[in-house]
Amino acid sequence: DAGVIQSPRHEVTEMGQEVTLRCKPISGHDYLFWYRQTMMRGLELLIYFNNNVPIDDSGMPEDRFSAKMPNASFSTLKIQPSEPRDSAVYFCASSLNVGGAEAFFGQGTRLTVV
Amino acid sequence: GQQLNQSPQSMFIQEGEDVSMNCTSSSIFNTWLWYKQDPGEGPVLLIALYKAGELTSNGRLTAQFGITRKDSFLNISASIPSDVGIYFCAGGLGNTPLVFGKGTRLSVIA
Repeated sequence: DAGVIQSPRHEVTEMGQEVTLRCKPISGHDYLFWYRQTMMRGLELLIYFNNNVPIDDSGMPEDRFSAKMPNASFSTLKIQPSEPRDSAVYFCASSLNVGGAEAFFGQGTRLTVV
Repeated sequence: GQQLNQSPQSMFIQEGEDVSMNCTSSSIFNTWLWYKQDPGEGPVLLIALYKAGELTSNGRLTAQFGITRKDSFLNISASIPSDVGIYFCAGGLGNTPLVFGKGTRLSVIA
C-alpha cells in the first residue's frame, strides 16, 4: 500500500479564499483522522471518521472548517473563508481502530494564508 | 480532556550521546506509542507498547510502558545526525483517538 496520501503538499492562498485539502487513507482502515500542527499547540485532532461517518468534530475550531468523507477512500477538509491564523500543517491519518492501533500519517499539507 | 506531558521540549546533544525523553499522564492508557517526525514529513511510528511494564527495543531505540500505565519513556543510544527530528508520544485507550504529547525536538551536533 502507498500509505496515506495527501494533496496538495503545499498551499498558499489569500485571506478569504476557500481551501480544500484532500486525503486518501490506507485501504482497509476504518478510521480517518484530521490533525492540525502548529508550533504553539502541537498536534490537534480536528475531526475523525469511522466507516465514513463523522464521530467527533469537537476539535474543529470554527464553522469555517468542514470535513467530509464521501467514501472509504477519500476525505476532504475545507476552510471557507480562510484566515491567516489558519496557517499550519494539516495531517490526515488512518488506522484500523480508534485508539488501540497505530495511526499512520500522510505527509501533510502546509497551508499558508496571506 | 486527557493531556500528555512530554519532556524535555527540546534537546541539543553531541553525536554519539545517549538520549532519554519521557511522557506522563494524569490518567491511564492501554497503549503507548512513540512517533518520529522528520522535517517536512508526517509522524512515523517507531515503537508500540501494549502492556504495562513492557520494555521494547527497535535497533538503537528502547521504550518502556510504565507499570502504572501513566507514563512511558524512550531512549536512543549512540545518537547519529539522522536522529534529528521531533519525537511524539501518544497514549491510546481503545475507544477514543490517540492523545499526543507536544513533542521533543531533538538536535544532534556532529
